[in-house]
Amino acid sequence: DAGVTQSPTHLIKTRGQQVTLRCSPKSGHDTVSWYQQALGQGPQFIFQYYEEEERQRGNFPDRFSGHQFPNYSSELNVNALLLGDSALYLCASSLVGREETQYFGPGTRLLVL
Amino acid sequence: SQQGEEDPQALSIQEGENATMNCSYKTSINNLQWYRQNSGRGLVHLILIRSNEREKHSGRLRVTLDTSKKSSSLLITASRAADTASYFCATGSSNYKLTFGKGTLLTVNP
Repeated sequence: DAGVTQSPTHLIKTRGQQVTLRCSPKSGHDTVSWYQQALGQGPQFIFQYYEEEERQRGNFPDRFSGHQFPNYSSELNVNALLLGDSALYLCASSLVGREETQYFGPGTRLLVL
Repeated sequence: SQQGEEDPQALSIQEGENATMNCSYKTSINNLQWYRQNSGRGLVHLILIRSNEREKHSGRLRVTLDTSKKSSSLLITASRAADTASYFCATGSSNYKLTFGKGTLLTVNP
C-alpha cells in the first residue's frame, strides 16, 4: 500500500521563476491538502482539493495555485517566486468525510535564490 | 497564522526519562492531534484526541485535552534516543484544514 509520494525531493529556483510540485495521494484517498513549512516554523495550510476543485484556502496569495487530476494526484504551482517562498512543501491526503486523519508525504524542499 | 503554541520550544532529557510537551490554542476545535517530524522531513501522525475526550493513550504516549483551558499535553514515557524529533500539535475544525503550532524540539540524550 503506497503512501503519499511527492516529487521532486529538492528544487532550486531563482526569484521570479515559476515552480510546479507534484503529489500522489495514499491509495484510496481522494482529498489532497498542501502545506508550507518555513524553517523553524510549523506547517501552514495553503489549500485543499477534492473532486478537482479547491475546497478550502489558507492565507496565501494568488501566486499559489493548484490542480487536482481525475486520478486524485495534485500539483502545486507557485509563480513569481520570492526569496520568502523557500520552504518545505508538504502534501497530505485524506478521505472525504475523514479529513481529520491526514497522511503526509516526505515533502519537497524548495530553495529560492 | 498559527493556532497552537507549544511549550517549551526545546526540551533536552536523558534516555529513560519522561518528556512532557504542552500546547495551547485559541479557537474552538473538533479535535487536536500530535505529529512528529524528524530532521525536517515528513510529518508522522502520533495521536488524535477529540474535543469530547479528556485523555487518550497509545503505547508510550499519553495525551490530555482541557477544552476549558484550550490546552493539551503530550507525555512520552521512558524516552529513547529515537524519540529525538520535533513535535507539533495541530487543531482540526470543521473547515477541513489542520492548524499547526511552531513545535517543540525534543532531544533525548543516550
